[in-house]
Amino acid sequence: EVQLVQSGAEVKKPGESLRISCKGSGYSFTSYWISWVRQMPGKGLEWMGRIDPSDSYTNYSPSFQGHVTISADKSISTAYLQWSSLKASDTAMYYCARHVAVRAAAGYYDDYWGQGTLVTVSS
Amino acid sequence: QSVLTQPPSVSGAPGQRVTISCTGSSSNIGAGYDVHWYQQLPGTAPKLLIYGNSNRPSGVPDRFSGSKSGTSASLAITGLQAEDEADYYCQSYDSSLSGGVFGTGTKVTVL
Repeated sequence: EVQLVQSGAEVKKPGESLRISCKGSGYSFTSYWISWVRQMPGKGLEWMGRIDPSDSYTNYSPSFQGHVTISADKSISTAYLQWSSLKASDTAMYYCARHVAVRAAAGYYDDYWGQGTLVTVSS
Repeated sequence: QSVLTQPPSVSGAPGQRVTISCTGSSSNIGAGYDVHWYQQLPGTAPKLLIYGNSNRPSGVPDRFSGSKSGTSASLAITGLQAEDEADYYCQSYDSSLSGGVFGTGTKVTVL
C-alpha cells in the first residue's frame, strides 16, 4: 500500500527555522517525484515545488522560490520542506504528494497525498 | 496566485447533475497539458478524483466525469449525493511557470 506519512504539527516563532518531513512507503521512492502543496487557513491549494528523489533535482513555483528549500534523502525514502526564517504568513497546512507523469509532455498529477503538517508561526 | 479559474460555489439537490468549470490559458490547458481534479472533504487531505482529463482512479464512482476543450475543462457530478459536499480543485501544468498550478477551488453544496 502506497503511503506518505508526514511529520507532526509545529508551533514556531517568527524568525525560527523549521524542517518538516514526508516519508514514502509501499513503492519505489526514487521512481516518482514528490511535490509540496500549501493551504493557508480557509484558502485554496497552492503548488510550491517538487523534487526528483533519484537525483534531488528540484523546481519551484516562482511564488516560493527562495523562500523554502525542498530536499530528499533517498536512503530513508524521505522528502523535506524547510524554512530558514519563518514568518507569520507561513502559517498553513502543508501537504506532500506523489507526483506522477501523465505521459510525455502532458504534465503531472498527484495520486497519493500525505495527511498534512500544520505549521503555526506566532509570536 | 491561481492561474486556473473556477466558480467559487455550485449547488444542487440530491440526484441532480452539477458541473464545475476550470478556465486556463494558452500556457497551461490551452497548450495541451492535461487537467486533473481533486476532492477535498472538510478537514482532510485532497484526494485524486480525475486524472488525464477524463480518467478515474480505481475506487472513484463513475458519477464523476471530466472533460477538456480548448483552454477549459469541466468536472461533472451526476446523481449528486450528500457525501459529495466538498471542495473541488482542478490542476494542470503551466509552461511559463515550469510547474504545476491549481484552480481557485469550488465548494459544492448539496441542498
